[in-house]
Amino acid sequence: SAVISQKPSRDICQRGTSLTIQCQVDSQVTMMFWYRQQPGQSLTLIATANQGSEATYESGFVIDKFPISRPNLTFSTLTVSNMSPEDSSIYLCSEEGKSGHHEQYFGPGTRLTVT
Amino acid sequence: EDQVTQSPEALRLQEGESSSLNCSYTVSGLRGLFWYRQDPGKGPEFLFTLYSAGEEKEKERLKATLTKKESFLHITAPKPEDSATYLCAVQADGGTSYGKLTFGQGTILTVHP
Repeated sequence: SAVISQKPSRDICQRGTSLTIQCQVDSQVTMMFWYRQQPGQSLTLIATANQGSEATYESGFVIDKFPISRPNLTFSTLTVSNMSPEDSSIYLCSEEGKSGHHEQYFGPGTRLTVT
Repeated sequence: EDQVTQSPEALRLQEGESSSLNCSYTVSGLRGLFWYRQDPGKGPEFLFTLYSAGEEKEKERLKATLTKKESFLHITAPKPEDSATYLCAVQADGGTSYGKLTFGQGTILTVHP
């Protein structure tokens, strides 16, 4: 399985500000995914990020709020813009393994608290 | 819309007391059903993929099974280190959200020594 790292691991931010989360994978992958895990909730897909194309957002998530970059096959960023306390969550990136069996491997997550 | 429901929400076992976790799902067409383990403060750790009814996968004390409507994660003679949240997810075959995993709420397993 791939080794996935995220920065920062946690942050406390003030409302109205923005935070960019970085996700680094140790090998080239086509598809990367960004999920949100709100307190006491399960994971919800925010968007899919393919290198060289615009990210595809799920219903309820928009590019202006969660802009995503995918500059190469090992790196992606997710920005949480104009934050409010409702954005307090764990944000996780993942990539689809190379086995062809469609499993995804997850990073350790970024715990965001908005005050 | 794809849906995943896990039960129970929480399960407390004594060490060595075997049990099962349930994952009920509805999906337009199943590409795969996935089991993950999540420890506090960490990302989900992949355990199994199941593709079709009747399939079974095993890893140490864990065994996952699949029917057309649900999956079970059987835990045999659990140890305290098996304590974690177990997540079930489905991936649909087709649709516009390629690769999307739809997760259940998870089962919090606590194994007491």
